[in-house]
Amino acid sequence: NAGVTQTPKFQVLKTGQSMTLQCAQDMNHEYMSWYRQDPGMGLRLIHYSVGAGITDQGEVPNGYNVSRSTTEDFPLRLLSAAPSQTSVYFCASHSGGSNQPQHFGDGTRLSIL
Amino acid sequence: AQSVTQPDIHITVSEGASLELRCNYSYGATPYLFWYVQSPGQGLQLLLKYFSGDTLVQGIKGFEAEFKRSQSSFNLRKPSVHWSDAAEYFCAATSGTYKYIFGTGTRLKVLA
Repeated sequence: NAGVTQTPKFQVLKTGQSMTLQCAQDMNHEYMSWYRQDPGMGLRLIHYSVGAGITDQGEVPNGYNVSRSTTEDFPLRLLSAAPSQTSVYFCASHSGGSNQPQHFGDGTRLSIL
Repeated sequence: AQSVTQPDIHITVSEGASLELRCNYSYGATPYLFWYVQSPGQGLQLLLKYFSGDTLVQGIKGFEAEFKRSQSSFNLRKPSVHWSDAAEYFCAATSGTYKYIFGTGTRLKVLA
């Protein structure tokens, strides 16, 4: 049981480049989320999805796009990378109601030069 | 506004000593509460959760947490810390809107 799988684990981009961070879960969870983790700021919600075809913005959505065409996959797209997007990105999923704990991937460490 | 506060950025304890990590929340109603642990280079792992009922909840790795409504707190405790407990700990809450709010984390250092 792989749980939540994120790829790549590390990436370096130049300002203005685009990129997609991949997230896949094999637990048939309806709910999936993307967070960014920055020093001293904890985890901040970027976008989330409550099911295939349904997404919504979180606390810090600017500069990021998401889509959810299948239950398993929830990719995060950076259309034009900026140095302020240098961060560690975590994908999470959970089942059932919103009171369920989330399962996290191991993260993608992204540096924008 | 809803918030989760972890007042301590860093905590250092000696191996074998007891541990308490603080978490305070600000919500209109009692939220669902969680503690997660993050080892270096890893994602977050659930330690324990509180939904309702008994205010003292047991988790994995010998951790427990006590919910105190009057203090809006959900502090994490362990009677005897092991060197492998060195990590970053996050408190989180959700009120049922599918949006979780995380505290800023407490980094635990364990002295041999």
